[in-house]
Amino acid sequence: EVQLVESGGGLVQPGGSLRLSCAASGFTFSSYWMHWVRQAPGKGLVWVSRINSDGSSTSYADSVKGRFTISRDNAKNTLYLQMNSLRAEDTAVYYCARGRALTVVTPSPYMDVWGKGTTVTVSS
Amino acid sequence: SYELTQPPSVSVSPGQTARITCSADALPKQYAYWYQQKPGQAPVLVIYKDSERPSGIPERFSGSSSGTTVTLTISGVQAEDEADYYCQSADSSGVVFGGGTKLTVL
Repeated sequence: EVQLVESGGGLVQPGGSLRLSCAASGFTFSSYWMHWVRQAPGKGLVWVSRINSDGSSTSYADSVKGRFTISRDNAKNTLYLQMNSLRAEDTAVYYCARGRALTVVTPSPYMDVWGKGTTVTVSS
Repeated sequence: SYELTQPPSVSVSPGQTARITCSADALPKQYAYWYQQKPGQAPVLVIYKDSERPSGIPERFSGSSSGTTVTLTISGVQAEDEADYYCQSADSSGVVFGGGTKLTVL
């Protein structure tokens, strides 16, 4: 069974840091793009970042660029999101999701499998 | 970047057809994708590449595209279809979601 399990969420003060993890199983993790998507309480989905299968290509939403870093360890089947300089507006449920690509040379445009999410609360 | 605009809410009675639109404000148009999200649950992909349906998604879910507007159609709506629906698109710089549409089954 394809499964994604996020962890690492919690309460952090403004300006603090947190690292989220996403453990993948049931598929060949090293063959897929991966995404992070977040959802603030009562709000819609917002894309955060994506990374290609070997970690050599990444992209970020403008709202997190320079503060968040996506990475992966294919040997451990794990995706990460390092979040620094956290703000109250970063409070959300963070989902990791498996990306699907349309071609071998274009970035993944969508996600076909999602984890259940981990909650990040930024508050003093 | 560009924006995707969805109606905030759509209401239908059981057995009727629900149509949820998603308009892009810029060209060129990319493929659209649709996700269903029920309260307290993760999103589920229901349509990809404008009109393709993933395995396991009921046939009553369909997608179409015309110009810069894409539409998710749910035929013969059932009570279990009550959920938030999000359209999504992407380009080389990133991914964009619409604001979401709450589908209420009366």
